[in-house]
Amino acid sequence: AQTVTQSQPEMSVQEAETVTLSCTYDTSENNYYLFWYKQPPSRQMILVIRQEAYKQQNATENRFSVNFQKAAKSFSLKISDSQLGDTAMYFCAFMKHGNEKLTFGTGTRLTIIP
Amino acid sequence: GAVVSQHPSRVICKSGTSVKIECRSLDFQATTMFWYRQFPKQSLMLMATSNEGSKATYEQGVEKDKFLINHASLTLSTLTVTSAHPEDSSFYICSAGGQKNTEAFFGQGTRLTVV
Repeated sequence: AQTVTQSQPEMSVQEAETVTLSCTYDTSENNYYLFWYKQPPSRQMILVIRQEAYKQQNATENRFSVNFQKAAKSFSLKISDSQLGDTAMYFCAFMKHGNEKLTFGTGTRLTIIP
Repeated sequence: GAVVSQHPSRVICKSGTSVKIECRSLDFQATTMFWYRQFPKQSLMLMATSNEGSKATYEQGVEKDKFLINHASLTLSTLTVTSAHPEDSSFYICSAGGQKNTEAFFGQGTRLTVV
């Protein structure tokens, strides 16, 4: 079974600053995907970024990037130039290759301060 | 990306009644869909895996007779909360994988309130 751990229940940062959200996971699988999802107050799950475990290169999507350390089973999310619209719950999630079932971390509530 | 539509977005029902929630894949076929439950300020917990044309697979601790899942077509899965009680009040959200099976696409979620 997989586990996903997010050790930061809440974080806050000034607008335009950079913030890093932490995530660690445990699995015996070798082929898998890792995700960061954003859940705003509407509660719609929005995919922020995806990382394929067999790719060493860290994924990047505009202001969002990850630091994927496979050996350490670490998958942190960096948000650069943070914006007010980034305020939301952020969930780290694990998915085994070939099965779209997701295992989520407990989430980090991020607040961007004007 | 693929589109998953969930209906209704909100529902209030009386204790003891049943409520049906629909999850549709609009532009792709989904042989497998997933149902999650999210209590306030908590994470999403998988309830069951909905399999087209066969029985759903439930996670440990989830009552099969209370949460009935039907996946009769490749684009529709339904979750029926039977004999609902106030403790069933929660946010229910479904997901389905796209054709590449490399990510999950979520419905908008259903906020269920049992009074």
